[in-house]
Amino acid sequence: GAVVSQHPSRVICKSGTSVKIECRSLDFQATTMFWYRQFPKQSLMLMATSNEGSKATYEQGVEKDKFLINHASLTLSTLTVTSAHPEDSSFYICSASRQGSYGYTFGSGTRLTVV
Amino acid sequence: DAKTTQPPSMDCAEGRAANLPCNHSTISGNEYVYWYRQIHSQGPQYIIHGLKNNETNEMASLIITEDRKSSTLILPHATLRDTAVYYCIALRGSGAGSYQLTFGKGTKLSVIP
Repeated sequence: GAVVSQHPSRVICKSGTSVKIECRSLDFQATTMFWYRQFPKQSLMLMATSNEGSKATYEQGVEKDKFLINHASLTLSTLTVTSAHPEDSSFYICSASRQGSYGYTFGSGTRLTVV
Repeated sequence: DAKTTQPPSMDCAEGRAANLPCNHSTISGNEYVYWYRQIHSQGPQYIIHGLKNNETNEMASLIITEDRKSSTLILPHATLRDTAVYYCIALRGSGAGSYQLTFGKGTKLSVIP
């Protein structure tokens, strides 16, 4: 089946630094990937849609200069949280879909803690 | 995509069937009903989807009413590992491609020993 790998699974960084999260489709090509954020005891909130070879589409209220998305290949999308602050601490999850299959496959998520 | 409504929480005894309801009264003809679940601190997992017919796979069964305004996800023999938040989502098309999933609050299912 379709597998999406997300790395790292857990990261702690200092306030003001940047953190990169990778999302890879291991056995299929993904033209589109999605990035979600989930705060404790809340549901997943879509942050942006990542399109291979073009600019990402951000949801309202998500700062595109703070959450940089790069989808340079059909198997890799990255999310960089720039100048991280404690309020950026959250669970970040990516997803992708393989053409011809149903539903979406999600990565295992990245727990970001900014101290 | 149509809004869905689910109870916030449910309990189920281990070994019994878990029946999770979902209302989607404004669903349109080309919207599928998808079910995902999220076990604590993991990414969501696809369970099943359907358009108008009942569906069954190795994980669960999906019963969709004839008017398509509601559906029920059935886990036939719930185990402790089925404890999770279950999301019912209405989605246009097959879901493969660029349609985005919008998650509601879901139902937190607790399987009790």
